[in-house]
Amino acid sequence: GDSVTQMEGPVTLSEEAFLTINCTYTATGYPSLFWYVQYPGEGLQLLLKATKADDKGSNKGFEATYRKETTSFHLEKGSVQVSDSAVYFCALSVPSGGYNKLIFGAGTRLAVHP
Amino acid sequence: DAGVIQSPRHEVTEMGQEVTLRCKPISGHNSLFWYRQTMMRGLELLIYFNNNVPIDDSGMPEDRFSAKMPNASFSTLKIQPSEPRDSAVYFCASSLAERGETQYFGPGTRLLVL
Repeated sequence: GDSVTQMEGPVTLSEEAFLTINCTYTATGYPSLFWYVQYPGEGLQLLLKATKADDKGSNKGFEATYRKETTSFHLEKGSVQVSDSAVYFCALSVPSGGYNKLIFGAGTRLAVHP
Repeated sequence: DAGVIQSPRHEVTEMGQEVTLRCKPISGHNSLFWYRQTMMRGLELLIYFNNNVPIDDSGMPEDRFSAKMPNASFSTLKIQPSEPRDSAVYFCASSLAERGETQYFGPGTRLLVL
């Protein structure tokens, strides 16, 4: 079935370090792909998305490219800040019974220290 | 614009009591989702409404859980009777029902059943 696999956390980085969080997916057809971020005590917020192969989503210095050949959507940021500390969820949207169902990965916790 | 509004933000109750969680989706959105988040199981979709009609309730754990959407601006998730294993964060999300359209999450209700 459709699924999302993320690298396990926590990921601990120093401020200004380079970030990569790996995400791979299994899906039939051509899903849309998303990264959501959850700050402590809050709900999930959309960080970026891509709706077709080779699209690059970007926001707040984060970016991810939809790679159909490797079924991946890895999240990257060139220089992380303490304020980026959060849990990051990769997700895909697939048709299911007449609507688009979001399937989430397990989440990767990022901790950035000064 | 106001985002998705959930109440209460925190709920502590005793086993066997009835719990009602409330959600107001973003105005104009025609899809509403209830999710449950736990450390063990991650994010789980409980139920999906489209135009106030329940479309997919396959994620509802058991008969103790019920959800309603009497109009486009209000939904409830009820647990009766509650059990300690229901302790989790419950999120409501809304969206426009188009392919790949973003789901917007509320801040969640943190439920603790003693």
